[in-house]
Amino acid sequence: EVQLVESGGGLVQPGGSLRLSCSASGFTFSNYAMHWVRQAPGKGLEYVSGISNNGGSTFYADSVKGRFTISRDNSKNTLYLQMSSLRSEDTALYYCSNEGSWGQGTLVTVSS
Amino acid sequence: DVVMTQSPLSLPVTLGQPASISCRSSQSLVYSDGDTYLNWFQQRPGQSPRRLIYKVSKRDSGVPDRFSGSGSGTDFTLKISRVEAEDVGVYYCMQGTRWPRTFGQGTKVEIK
Repeated sequence: EVQLVESGGGLVQPGGSLRLSCSASGFTFSNYAMHWVRQAPGKGLEYVSGISNNGGSTFYADSVKGRFTISRDNSKNTLYLQMSSLRSEDTALYYCSNEGSWGQGTLVTVSS
Repeated sequence: DVVMTQSPLSLPVTLGQPASISCRSSQSLVYSDGDTYLNWFQQRPGQSPRRLIYKVSKRDSGVPDRFSGSGSGTDFTLKISRVEAEDVGVYYCMQGTRWPRTFGQGTKVEIK
């Protein structure tokens, strides 16, 4: 069974940083591109960032470019999202996905 | 980035009746390998998204056959042949052909 478990969310002040992790199991992690998608309270799904299966290519939404960094460790079956210069508009539930499966999400709240 | 436009954004339906959601992309979603990477996701209230359809018309495992996808190029449709109470939620299309991935705005399906 595919499992994606996000962690690392929490309350952070504007301008602060946070690192999200996503632990994957039940599939061959190194064969899949991986993605972070977020959902602000009461809003739709917003694509945040993606990374190719070997980590050689990374992609970002314009809203997070230059502030967020996606990475992966295929030896640990783990996906990361380093978030810096956080803004109130980054407040959302952050999901990890391989497109076919999704985690339960980790909540990031940016507030003073 | 590829812009995905869904319609309608709200869809009240009667139990047992059909429903149809349209999704249009700003660019062709045909990839260089000849496949078209168009996904449909269902998000029930309080739950993570779940993929229903990939590559335009292929149903994911466990998805009832009342859900079907069709289309080509830039114009796609998700159909529910007979809506059931458990189908209430928000439906999103997402293109998986170009980076970054992008979602439609979502269509809220509710029972009349």
